[in-house]
Amino acid sequence: EAGVTQSPTHLIKTRGQQATLRCSPISGHTSVYWYQQALGLGLQFLLWYDEGEERNRGNFPPRFSGRQFPNYSSELNVNALELEDSALYLCASSPGGQGRQPQHFGDGTRLSIL
Amino acid sequence: RKEVEQDPGPFNVPEGATVAFNCTYSNSASQSFFWYRQDCRKEPKLLMSVYSSGNEDGRFTAQLNRASQYISLLIRDSKLSDSATYLCVVEAGTYKYIFGTGTRLKVLA
Repeated sequence: EAGVTQSPTHLIKTRGQQATLRCSPISGHTSVYWYQQALGLGLQFLLWYDEGEERNRGNFPPRFSGRQFPNYSSELNVNALELEDSALYLCASSPGGQGRQPQHFGDGTRLSIL
Repeated sequence: RKEVEQDPGPFNVPEGATVAFNCTYSNSASQSFFWYRQDCRKEPKLLMSVYSSGNEDGRFTAQLNRASQYISLLIRDSKLSDSATYLCVVEAGTYKYIFGTGTRLKVLA
C-alpha cells in the first residue's frame, strides 16, 4: 500500500512569491492534515480537511490556505512568502472521522525562502 | 497550563537501560492518544496507539492514567537505534489533535 506522498520534495522561493505544495493521502483515507515544522521546533498545526471540507485551522495568517479535491488529495498554498515560512511542511492522512484515528505522515516538502 | 506537555529532555541513557517518558494533557474529555517517533529532519512515524488498559509492542509499553491525565511510554532494553524524539499526540475534541513538542532520547554506547 502506498503511503502519503508529497510533492515537491524541495521548493525554493523568494520573498513575496507564492508556493503550492501537494499531498496524496493513503488510499481510503479521507482526512488530510497539514503541519509546519521550522528547524528545531515542534509541529505546528495548519489545516485539517475531511471529505472536501476544511474542518479546523491552526493559528496561521490567511495567506496560508488550501483545499481538498474530490479524490481526497490536497494542496497547501502560501501567498506572499516571508523568510520565516522556511520550514518542513508535513502532510498526514487518516481514515475519516472526527479525530480518533492515528495520522500517517508523508516525507514532507522542504520550503526555503531566499 | 498547556494542552499537552512533554519534558523536552534530552534523556541520555546507556544501551540496555529502561527509560520512561510522560506526557500530560489538560482536556479530561480526550479519548484517543498516540505516540510517534521522529528522527532528525524526518517525518513523524506512528509508534503506537495508547489504549485505556495499556498496551505493549515488543520493548515498548504505553499506558494511560486518566485520573492524573497523562500517558506514558516505557522503553526497555534501549538500543542505539531508539535515539529519536518521541512525540505524544492527544485528541482534544472534534477535529482537534494536539502534538506535544517532543522528548529527545539519546541512547549511548
